[in-house]
Amino acid sequence: AQSVTQLGSHVSVSEGALVLLRCNYSSSVPPYLFWYVQYPNQGLQLLLKYTSAATLVKGINGFEAEFKKSETSFHLTKPSAHMSDAAEYFCAVSPLRGYQKVTFGTGTKLQVIP
Amino acid sequence: NAGVTQTPKFQVLKTGQSMTLQCAQDMNHNSMYWYRQDPGMGLRLIYYSASEGTTDKGEVPNGYNVSRLNKREFSLRLESAAPSQTSVYFCASSVVTGNGNTIYFGEGSWLTVV
Repeated sequence: AQSVTQLGSHVSVSEGALVLLRCNYSSSVPPYLFWYVQYPNQGLQLLLKYTSAATLVKGINGFEAEFKKSETSFHLTKPSAHMSDAAEYFCAVSPLRGYQKVTFGTGTKLQVIP
Repeated sequence: NAGVTQTPKFQVLKTGQSMTLQCAQDMNHNSMYWYRQDPGMGLRLIYYSASEGTTDKGEVPNGYNVSRLNKREFSLRLESAAPSQTSVYFCASSVVTGNGNTIYFGEGSWLTVV
């Protein structure tokens, strides 16, 4: 069964510092991978997704993620954190077949310190 | 552009009461979903509907029923609410393009069972 593991339920960074949120997936074949962001009391919004077209995926708000098959990872990065980036981030995976069965990680709350 | 709309936003139920969460999407998506979100557990799929007229169990279907009324609407029913069903519920819909499957979420429904 597919799954994703997000390392660190809480991450704190200083404003202007690099943001790195970790996600590792478990799947027998390269799947679809996603990063979603959730602001307080809101639904989830898609940041970016990997669909095998390119290993480095650029998303909204300056975020990007790199698919590394050898490491089964899909870490999310942003060069310079902004206060508005404070939110909870979810990694998710779905198979190529039966794509409706999207599995989410447990989430990482990002705190940005002024 | 409403996207995914779910009602009610907040509800308090007594143990044993029943209620229905309503969801509608105006994006002409085939697939619709119900998730629940609990602290430290991420999002867990309750039921999904790949297309009008079909529904399938997700990860945590016990205690819930769903109805895909038409292409736009997908409701979630709690027949006899239990305190363990206190959670935030998200409806979602998705479309598959040449770039994979993208899920769009509603704003959430906060349900408390006392």
